[in-house]
Amino acid sequence: DGGITQSPKYLFRKEGQNVTLSCEQNLNHDAMYWYRQDPGQGLRLIYYSQIVNDFQKGDIAEGYSVSREKKESFPLTVTSAQKNPTAFYLCASSSGLAGGPYEQYFGPGTRLTVT
Amino acid sequence: KNQVEQSPQSLIILEGKNCTLQCNYTVSPFSNLRWYKQDTGRGPVSLTIMTFSENTKSNGRYTATLDADTKQSSLHITASQLSDSASYICVVSPGGDMRFGAGTRLTVKP
Repeated sequence: DGGITQSPKYLFRKEGQNVTLSCEQNLNHDAMYWYRQDPGQGLRLIYYSQIVNDFQKGDIAEGYSVSREKKESFPLTVTSAQKNPTAFYLCASSSGLAGGPYEQYFGPGTRLTVT
Repeated sequence: KNQVEQSPQSLIILEGKNCTLQCNYTVSPFSNLRWYKQDTGRGPVSLTIMTFSENTKSNGRYTATLDADTKQSSLHITASQLSDSASYICVVSPGGDMRFGAGTRLTVKP
C-alpha cells in the first residue's frame, strides 16, 4: 500500500518543549516537503528536500528544523523558538522538482496543539 | 497580498446542483496550475494539473479551465454530491515553488 504516512494524527505539547513530527513515504520520491496550514490561509512551505542529506528553508522556516538521512523519511522538529506552533502540519512528496508538472502527494496531516 | 486569490471563500449548494469556483492569480512567470480537494482534517488530493498550453481539463465531474492571458482559472463541479463537501485549493507555480490560495469551502446539502 503506497503513500505517505504521518504520525501521530494529533499531538499535544506544553509550551517550551520541542516536538518531532514523523513523515514517511514509500513512493520512491526524491523530493519531500513540510507545510503548515492555518485557518483561512493557504499552505505555507516550511522546509523542503530534493535529495537525501540536503534540504532548503521555505517561507517560514524560523523555529523549525528538519533532517533527511533516508530517502523515505523527512521528520520535522518544532522547537520552542517557534512563536505560534499550534497548527495543522502537512508532509508531501513528489518525484520531481517542486513547482514542476509533477504530482505532489500529501500525507494525512498532524494537528499540533501547544498550550 | 496573496498572489493566488480564490472566490468565494465559502459556498453552500444543494445536492445535484452545479457550481463554479474561481481562482485569480498574479504569479509570474507561469508554469502550471493545480486544483486540490481537501476534506476536513485530511491532506489535499490532486484533482487536475494544467500547464500553459492547456485551457481545460476534466476529472470525472470536475472540470478545470485556465485562461493564462487573464490569469484566471475556474473549477466547475457538475451534479454535486454530498461527498463533494470539502475545501478546494488552487495552486499556481512559477516553476520553482508553489503558491497556494486560501481555498473555497464548499458545503453540499441534501
